[in-house]
Amino acid sequence: AQKVTQAQTEISVVEKEDVTLDCVYETRDTTYYLFWYKQPPSGELVFLIRRNSFDEQNEISGRYSWNFQKSTSSFNFTITASQVVDSAVYFCALSVEGTALIFGKGTTLSVSS
Amino acid sequence: DGGITQSPKYLFRKEGQNVTLSCEQNLNHDAMYWYRQDPGQGLRLIYYSQIVNDFQKGDIAEGYSVSREKKESFPLTVTSAQKNPTAFYLCASTPSPAIGRLNTEAFFGQGTRLTVV
Repeated sequence: AQKVTQAQTEISVVEKEDVTLDCVYETRDTTYYLFWYKQPPSGELVFLIRRNSFDEQNEISGRYSWNFQKSTSSFNFTITASQVVDSAVYFCALSVEGTALIFGKGTTLSVSS
Repeated sequence: DGGITQSPKYLFRKEGQNVTLSCEQNLNHDAMYWYRQDPGQGLRLIYYSQIVNDFQKGDIAEGYSVSREKKESFPLTVTSAQKNPTAFYLCASTPSPAIGRLNTEAFFGQGTRLTVV
């Protein structure tokens, strides 16, 4: 069975702080896909990144970066120099071949000015 | 613009009533999904459909029903058998069931907030 754990329920930071959101996954499949989504107060999920199990390269996109480590089954997300607009719920998700996305419980990030 | 439309945005239901949540997509996607979101619970899969006229139960299908008569439509009915239906419901779609392999992701609607009164 597949499982995604986001141990941090809520995180509060002050603007310009760096913050890391943790994601640990479980699967016995060798081919799988990991995702991060952002859910602003409006409710719609916004896609941030997808990573394949055979591609362990870390990725940076502006202030966002992701660290994928198969050895620890983790796919952590770091926001550098956080801004108030980053306040949202962030979900990590996992998919194996032909299955729907399995989500973690989400981490609520609050960035204050 | 292509996307997923969920309606209504807010829905109120009396206890014992069935209600249907609408989900329409014009992305020509084969697969569609329904998720339920409760505070602190993340998104849990209710039903999904990989092709027209076919659907499978997810983790929390009890008290819900779906149909997939058209590729672009995947309505969800919350029946009176669902004991605690108050929640935020999200519909999603993907080009095919092979979400990651096609180098794509799931697209989501804006959600329907259902409240039992």
